Amino acid sequence: GAVVSQHPSWVICKSGTSVKIECRSLDFQATTMFWYRQFPKQSLMLMATSNEGSKATYEQGVEKDKFLINHASLTLSTLTVTSAHPEDSSFYICSVWTGVADEQYFGPGTRLTVT
Amino acid sequence: AQKVTQAQTEISVVEKEDVTLDCVYETRDTTYYLFWYKQPPSGELVFLIRRNSFDEQNEISGRYSWNFQKSTSSFNFTITASQVVDSAVYFCALSEFGGTSYGKLTFGQGTILTVHP
Repeated sequence: GAVVSQHPSWVICKSGTSVKIECRSLDFQATTMFWYRQFPKQSLMLMATSNEGSKATYEQGVEKDKFLINHASLTLSTLTVTSAHPEDSSFYICSVWTGVADEQYFGPGTRLTVT
Repeated sequence: AQKVTQAQTEISVVEKEDVTLDCVYETRDTTYYLFWYKQPPSGELVFLIRRNSFDEQNEISGRYSWNFQKSTSSFNFTITASQVVDSAVYFCALSEFGGTSYGKLTFGQGTILTVHP
């Protein structure tokens, strides 16, 4: 399966600043990656689908201007949380999708804390 | 729209007990995939098992087994002879095969499993 890394693994930022999270597919060229968000003690919710070379598609209720996704290459997708607020504090997890329905590989996650 | 329900919020067992985690799903697709993931305190999701909608054969893989029943839309997961290292949050998930949902996972609420020594 695909090996996926995320950077940073955790980040603390001040309210109003922007934070960029990287998701890298180390051994697979991924045209599609997914971004999920998990609030403390809750389930994972899909935020958006990152498509290489095209615009990301966002799930209902997710602000696309706040969560900027750039999938500039087949191995890298970035999620930028703009003007972060404490309510954006969460665990962000990316996944690489191989294109086959049952093959999705997750990164280790990034824990964001906004103070 | 698809939905996954894990009615058990928390389960506590003593080591070596068997434990079954329940999962009920809803989908309009005839083709879909079901998964179980484990999330230890580190946060990283660990893939456990998957099953597609055309294969209701139940199997055993080591200490893990699952019971997939389309008639009741259930996909239950059993850990035999539980160990302390099995303590984690377990998620059931669904992926539909068709349309715009292809590849996207819908997760259940999760079940916190605590195995006591």
